Amino acid sequence: GQQLNQSPQSMFIQEGEDVSMNCTSSSIFNTWLWYKQDPGEGPVLLIALYKAGELTSNGRLTAQFGITRKDSFLNISASIPSDVGIYFCAGQRNTPLVFGKGTRLSVIA
Amino acid sequence: GAGVSQSPRYKVAKRGQDVALRCDPISGHVSLFWYQQALGQGPEFLTYFQNEAQLDKSGLPSDRFFAERPEGSVSTLKIQRTQQEDSAVYLCASSFWLPGLAIYNEQFFGPGTRLTVL
Repeated sequence: GQQLNQSPQSMFIQEGEDVSMNCTSSSIFNTWLWYKQDPGEGPVLLIALYKAGELTSNGRLTAQFGITRKDSFLNISASIPSDVGIYFCAGQRNTPLVFGKGTRLSVIA
Repeated sequence: GAGVSQSPRYKVAKRGQDVALRCDPISGHVSLFWYQQALGQGPEFLTYFQNEAQLDKSGLPSDRFFAERPEGSVSTLKIQRTQQEDSAVYLCASSFWLPGLAIYNEQFFGPGTRLTVL
């Protein structure tokens, strides 16, 4: 099935550093979403974006809906150990979500 | 409970066995989704229900996969004659669907059932 192109696949960063990850698609989406998944759990929604060009923040997280509607990025500022996990982008055009392959984030204290 | 629950959390099956995976959505949520997540991959859509109606089953990989939601609440995903390639985490999600609402109806995910086919 279709999956979005998400990069990087994995990141190792020092606590306190900023993180950036992005997602691209060959298809246009009406909604872009960013999820975090911890081991043994389902994905949890972090940020939802509804309009092309929209820039939204949620605490230390900032995400943008690309102007072409085919891409999105997520930034995490001043990372902390609990940011460890797998981050997924997802696009929605109709009802089902289309997910990226994930970015595995490791934070070194 | 307050969230989406799934059972069993873990299932080991011998190749060729049939399995049934259960999802209890959040009370009052009209929409229910099943996703398959292979190791190291993102979730992939399998099927979608609105109440008891299965509106989209385009993601089911073969006719060995069958899902039902007979009373519009609990759903069961059944896999017949399991194969090794069926090994994955099966995620269920539910959302409160509002007709005509353009904004995203957040899908709340359960913890998943990890299926291992030997």
